[in-house]
Amino acid sequence: KNQVEQSPQSLIILEGKNCTLQCNYTVSPFSNLRWYKQDTGRGPVSLTIMTFSENTKSNGRYTATLDADTKQSSLHITASQLSDSASYICVVSKRNAGNMLTFGGGTRLMVKP
Amino acid sequence: DTGVSQDPRHKITKRGQNVTFRCDPISEHNRLYWYRQTLGQGPEFLTYFQNEAQLEKSRLLSDRFSAERPKGSFSTLEIQRTEQGDSAMYLCASSLALSWEDEGGAKSGYTFGSGTRLTVV
Repeated sequence: KNQVEQSPQSLIILEGKNCTLQCNYTVSPFSNLRWYKQDTGRGPVSLTIMTFSENTKSNGRYTATLDADTKQSSLHITASQLSDSASYICVVSKRNAGNMLTFGGGTRLMVKP
Repeated sequence: DTGVSQDPRHKITKRGQNVTFRCDPISEHNRLYWYRQTLGQGPEFLTYFQNEAQLEKSRLLSDRFSAERPKGSFSTLEIQRTEQGDSAMYLCASSLALSWEDEGGAKSGYTFGSGTRLTVV
């Protein structure tokens, strides 16, 4: 069973609308959680990174939240644009695990005009 | 040098052939990682180097796979006797580890290349 689960698997929204992507993890002991955006055929690009003590972080129209107690994170996208169409991957790093990252399966977002 | 470079971007090979991919990390980064990503899935860890030392290998890295980073700079990933199941995107990433433990690169960032897409026919 994957230690990082994301929902929904895919999502279609209209341009200008907001959306929220979910990530639940079981990775322990927890070190940090990242959200990446991956365009088709490209490598992932970091959006946010949060450690245990941080519960929210913003990067432009992207806002990530983290509840380390319930092991849940969300990524909220505000006023979506066509260029937001991509896969969004939740990634969790385990403390003292030699830098290995555990990836979720991603949420494929399509923004339609 | 503003990013992680991977070469080639695409590779089509016949089953049974050997292939080699190259990754050039961000120059000041001391850690280099290889991941494999199949369609619709998140990347899976294969191996990583600190400088020239290969510190960890995943069980996914069968004996047909070998990775090197001889001078602690660029790295190569070779797949021998390719199989159709090897078809995937191979991603390289690099980071600057500020300490031995370095909490997953939290303080230093973790940058991915654009990947090499391998198709075995």
